[in-house]
Amino acid sequence: KAGVTQTPRYLIKTRGQQVTLSCSPISGHRSVSWYQQTPGQGLQFLFEYFSETQRNKGNFPGRFSGRQFSNSRSEMNVSTLELGDSALYLCASSPGSGRALEQFFGPGTRLTVL
Amino acid sequence: QKEVEQNSGPLSVPEGAIASLNCTYSDRGSQSFFWYRQYSGKSPELIMFIYSNGDKEDGRFTAQLNKASQYVSLLIRDSQPSDSATYLCAVAGNTGKLIFGQGTTLQVKP
Repeated sequence: KAGVTQTPRYLIKTRGQQVTLSCSPISGHRSVSWYQQTPGQGLQFLFEYFSETQRNKGNFPGRFSGRQFSNSRSEMNVSTLELGDSALYLCASSPGSGRALEQFFGPGTRLTVL
Repeated sequence: QKEVEQNSGPLSVPEGAIASLNCTYSDRGSQSFFWYRQYSGKSPELIMFIYSNGDKEDGRFTAQLNKASQYVSLLIRDSQPSDSATYLCAVAGNTGKLIFGQGTTLQVKP
């Protein structure tokens, strides 16, 4: 079974721009979660999508948004980029129902904001 | 108080020893507990999960859960240099949201 894939792997943007990151979950998984990882804050939860609906949300500003498509692929968008948005963005997929919360991470997208 | 707390380390153990990694959490309603391993420059990899009080063993790894004390630990027996990594504890409540600790860096010295 193919693992979680994320594109692009690396991205360089400037302040004020917007960016869209993509995540394809493991086949059959219906839940996709997004995380931001920085050296200072660690892994922080952004949001989770299950069956095209946002099921959980972390404490990030509205500039961070996401969506999930009917094939479970998910996109994350960050508008009006700030220097502090430089981070590794990870998505994780899981079957998503009941106790099946075990999440499997993709390789991540490294975003640098200049 | 952070929701999930881990000692950042580094925890240094000699090859062949037992490494003990600890994690405490604040939400008494937490139901699911996970340990991830993250090598430098890589994404986290799930190595253990535990839902019930007690011990759960998988090869050289043992996860221990004590809900009364709000404590979960990971023991790595016969530690190898390849075990050197950051170990992340993650906890989920009934909402399913996964909260991660800051991670403990483990160094296994040959």
